[in-house]
Amino acid sequence: KQEVTQIPAALSVPEGENLVLNCSFTDSAIYNLQWFRQDPGKGLTSLLLIQSSQREQTSGRLNASLDKSSGRSTLYIAASQPGDSATYLCAVSRSSNTGKLIFGQGTTLQVKP
Amino acid sequence: NAGVTQTPKFRILKIGQSMTLQCAQDMNHNYMYWYRQDPGMGLKLIYYSVGAGITDKGEVPNGYNVSRSTTEDFPLRLELAAPSQTSVYFCASSYGQGRGETQYFGPGTRLLVL
Repeated sequence: KQEVTQIPAALSVPEGENLVLNCSFTDSAIYNLQWFRQDPGKGLTSLLLIQSSQREQTSGRLNASLDKSSGRSTLYIAASQPGDSATYLCAVSRSSNTGKLIFGQGTTLQVKP
Repeated sequence: NAGVTQTPKFRILKIGQSMTLQCAQDMNHNYMYWYRQDPGMGLKLIYYSVGAGITDKGEVPNGYNVSRSTTEDFPLRLELAAPSQTSVYFCASSYGQGRGETQYFGPGTRLLVL
């Protein structure tokens, strides 16, 4: 059974720091991995999607990497800003036929001015 | 485009009552999903659909039912509400199967069962 774990559960950093959020999964037979952002009381917004054949994806100050063999993904945030404060969730999909996602518990990030 | 819309935003139910959570999308997505999120936890899949007339169970389907009569709508039915169903419910959609797997989420329905 696929399990997705995100460590740490919470992280607080000063503005301007570069930071890394971690995601690990137990079954390397994934189809893709997605990173989402969730603001308090809101729905999820997709940040990056990495296909199983890819090693990384970039969008602005965000860079996500994928190492299938070791069951790990990282989300790198450069030059963090207070507006980056949110909960970040990773999720893996095993099949393109269904798109079903297995989510981690999330990492709550606070960026202090 | 409105994207994925959900109604109601918040609801209080008494134990044993029933209700339907509404979800609609205007992006012509084939795939639709219902998740629940308990406090401090990730999301768990309740039911999903890969097209009109096709639905299947996710990780936590007990106590819920769905239907998909149109591409746009995917309602979730709660029968005989229980306190364990207190949660935030999210609907999501995607093109699916090679056309785009990014899932787009609605704003959620917060449900309290007392």
